[in-house]
Amino acid sequence: EVQLLESGGDLVQPGGSLRLSCAGSGFMFSSSDMGWVRQAPGKGLEWVSGVSAGGGAKYYADSVKGRFTISRDNSKNTLYLQINGLRADDTAVYYCVKTSRDSYGYMQSWGQGTLVTVSS
Amino acid sequence: IQMTQSPSSLSASVGERVTITCRASQDISYSLAWYQQKPGQAPNLLIFGASNLQTGVPSRFSGTASGTDFTLTISSLHPEDFATYYCLQAHSFPLTFGGGTKVEIK
Repeated sequence: EVQLLESGGDLVQPGGSLRLSCAGSGFMFSSSDMGWVRQAPGKGLEWVSGVSAGGGAKYYADSVKGRFTISRDNSKNTLYLQINGLRADDTAVYYCVKTSRDSYGYMQSWGQGTLVTVSS
Repeated sequence: IQMTQSPSSLSASVGERVTITCRASQDISYSLAWYQQKPGQAPNLLIFGASNLQTGVPSRFSGTASGTDFTLTISSLHPEDFATYYCLQAHSFPLTFGGGTKVEIK
């Protein structure tokens, strides 16, 4: 069974930084494209970032480009999202997703999410 | 690419046929997915490639495409189908979701 376990969410002041982690199990992590999707409280879904299985290709939403960095450590079966320059509108539940080989948009498995709150 | 989803909400009864539409601002071929999200839960992939049912998803769910218009149909609404539905274009980066459709009990 595919399991994705996010961690690292916290209450952070504007301008601060955070690193989210996602531990994957039950599948071949090193062969899987992965990504992050977020959802602000009471709002819709927003795709944030995606990374190829080997880590060489990375993609970002315009709203986070230059502030967020996606990475992975296949030896640890772990996906990361480094978030810098946090703003109030980054407040959201951040979901880790395992995507299909066919497309980053076909998100087959989701974690339970980790909450990031940006507030002074 | 902008995804315009309609309606934003609807009320329906168990057993009713429900249709939700997404319109893409440009050609995305068949690169579209539909997701279901229940309150307090992570979303769940229902359909990919505009019309392909994800493994384990009931056959009452179906998807169609016509140009830049995409439709999710629930043929006969079950109690567990009351949820919010989102489309997502997977044609080009950045990937973009529709605004969501909340399906409520009438």
